[in-house]
Amino acid sequence: KAGVTQTPRYLIKTRGQQVTLSCSPISGHRSVSWYQQTPGQGLQFLFEYFSETQRNKGNFPGRFSGRQFSNSRSEMNVSTLELGDSALYLCASSLGQRQPQHFGDGTRLSIL
Amino acid sequence: AQSVTQLDSQVPVFEEAPVELRCNYSSSVSVYLFWYVQYPNQGLQLLLKYLSGSTLVKGINGFEAEFNKSQTSFHLRKPSVHISDTAEYFCAVSDPRQAGTALIFGKGTTLSVSS
Repeated sequence: KAGVTQTPRYLIKTRGQQVTLSCSPISGHRSVSWYQQTPGQGLQFLFEYFSETQRNKGNFPGRFSGRQFSNSRSEMNVSTLELGDSALYLCASSLGQRQPQHFGDGTRLSIL
Repeated sequence: AQSVTQLDSQVPVFEEAPVELRCNYSSSVSVYLFWYVQYPNQGLQLLLKYLSGSTLVKGINGFEAEFNKSQTSFHLRKPSVHISDTAEYFCAVSDPRQAGTALIFGKGTTLSVSS
């Protein structure tokens, strides 16, 4: 069974640009969550989508947005990039609340 | 609001020694508890989880954890570590009352196993 796939693995952008990250969940998983990992703040929850609807949202500015498609694939968009957005962005999929989240290997975003 | 504190940022141990990674959580309600491991340049892998029932939870790779409600702790243990256990370990909680699966993570503990 294929795992969670995130593309691209690495990305370099400059301040002010926008970026879109992609996540393909494990087949059959309808819940997709996004997390930001930085050395200073650690792992922080961004948002969760379930059946194309945002179910939960973390404490991030509106520049961070996401969506989920009918096939459960999800995208995350960050607009007007700032240096502090440099991070590893992790996507996780799950069957449901009592089921474990399965993580992808992440997209490492570097802002110059 | 829930929070997770991992009491040690780094734990160095020798191969075949026992290890305990400490985790305390703050919550006024019942929570689900998890331990994840992250190897360099990889995502997180679930080691074990506590949802309810027996307070001693066994996971993969010989790890186990004990849920202690009175001390709001969920410490991870392994009786004998290997070099390959060198990684970063994260404790996390989620709220059973919420519809979703959002996890709140601790800052992580780096386990370094040397020979």
